[in-house]
Amino acid sequence: NAGVTQTPKFQVLKTGQSMTLQCAQDMNHNSMYWYRQDPGMGLRLIYYSASEGTTDKGEVPNGYNVSRLNKREFSLRLESAAPSQTSVYFCASSADWGYYNEQFFGPGTRLTVL
Amino acid sequence: KQEVTQIPAALSVPEGENLVLNCSFTDSAIYNLQWFRQDPGKGLTSLLLIQSSQREQTSGRLNASLDKSSGRSTLYIAASQPGDSATYLCAVTSGAGSYQLTFGKGTKLSVIP
Repeated sequence: NAGVTQTPKFQVLKTGQSMTLQCAQDMNHNSMYWYRQDPGMGLRLIYYSASEGTTDKGEVPNGYNVSRLNKREFSLRLESAAPSQTSVYFCASSADWGYYNEQFFGPGTRLTVL
Repeated sequence: KQEVTQIPAALSVPEGENLVLNCSFTDSAIYNLQWFRQDPGKGLTSLLLIQSSQREQTSGRLNASLDKSSGRSTLYIAASQPGDSATYLCAVTSGAGSYQLTFGKGTKLSVIP
């Protein structure tokens, strides 16, 4: 039982390049999330998927797209990376979308955009 | 808009001391509050979740309390150990229908042997 896994762990991009961050969970959770963590800003929600087949914007969605590939997998895509997207990205999941939504986090992807 | 504040930003204590970490939130209409631990370069580990109807939760040496009306939570760590050194984050779920987590910026704890 690996929990929430993310790939890659580290990535360096040049401005304008694209990439996809991968996330998978093996806990049979319905809901999945993408956050970014920046120094002095705390964690902020980018996108979430309340259930398979649905996605919605969070607090900071600009410059990102997501795909809920199936119940296990939720990917985050940067179409044209910018230095402002340098951050640590975390994927999380929870059993369901609702008030009781204890979230479980992956180890993170550390992205640098030059 | 919900805002979550954690004070102090950093705390250093000698091993064996009991300590309290503080979390405050501006909108008391929360569904639950969650405490996390984050080790350097790692992800977040969920420590405790308190539902809005509860006053406290305990797990081992950790005890979290919630006073929803005053917008405050505390995380009490008993008999601190060097292995407790990490950043502790609190987050609240609020917002009618949105159920989104709002995080504080964390308290960095150092337990000195």
